[in-house]
Amino acid sequence: QVQLVQSGAEVKKPGASVKVSCKASGYTFTNNAIHWVRQAPGQRLEWMGWINGGNGNTKYSQKFQGRVTITRDTSTSTAYMELSSLRSEDTAMYYCARNSGSAGTFDPWGQGTLVTVSS
Amino acid sequence: DIQMTQSPSSLSASVGDRLSISCRAGQSISTYLNWYQQKPGKAPKLLIFGASSLQSGVPSRFSGSGSGTDFTLTITSLQPEDFATYYCQQSYSNRTFGQGTKVEIK
Repeated sequence: QVQLVQSGAEVKKPGASVKVSCKASGYTFTNNAIHWVRQAPGQRLEWMGWINGGNGNTKYSQKFQGRVTITRDTSTSTAYMELSSLRSEDTAMYYCARNSGSAGTFDPWGQGTLVTVSS
Repeated sequence: DIQMTQSPSSLSASVGDRLSISCRAGQSISTYLNWYQQKPGKAPKLLIFGASSLQSGVPSRFSGSGSGTDFTLTITSLQPEDFATYYCQQSYSNRTFGQGTKVEIK
């Protein structure tokens, strides 16, 4: 079955960077894009950006432009999201999700990675 | 960015009730509107795509309608497992989510 498995929880200090991984299985990785979404405690889902699994092209939300970098490794079917210059407001659950179908839906999602930013 | 606004933000309902959740887009998005269900501590799950198409495996008590800027998610005969938060998402230009509607037990 199609599955996305993310790396474990992280605790970072303000100003640091974090890199979260998302390993795909059960489908051809290069056929679909991977999106990254975050959810701060009690807040709505927030789209961060995506990467084309085939050609590696990326698109980022304006809010995160300049602070987020999404990459992928086709040899391991893994996508990565790196967020820099972390601040307390970046404390959130970070999800990856596969772009699916012509409607551009997110299916499935990874299990989520909790990133805590604290001094 | 296309703004997405859901209403209400929360509602209380009983098992067996019929309920509707609205989602309004800041500009026309045709039918590029999807609905997700999220339970506490879990990743969201796709329910409806393309405004009205039911995702495989999702019970038929869930339905979606609308086009352009106004959309509705309807749940007929609410079941105990349906108490969750529901999000709309536009996939017309990049992606944006509504603020969510929390469905609680009355």
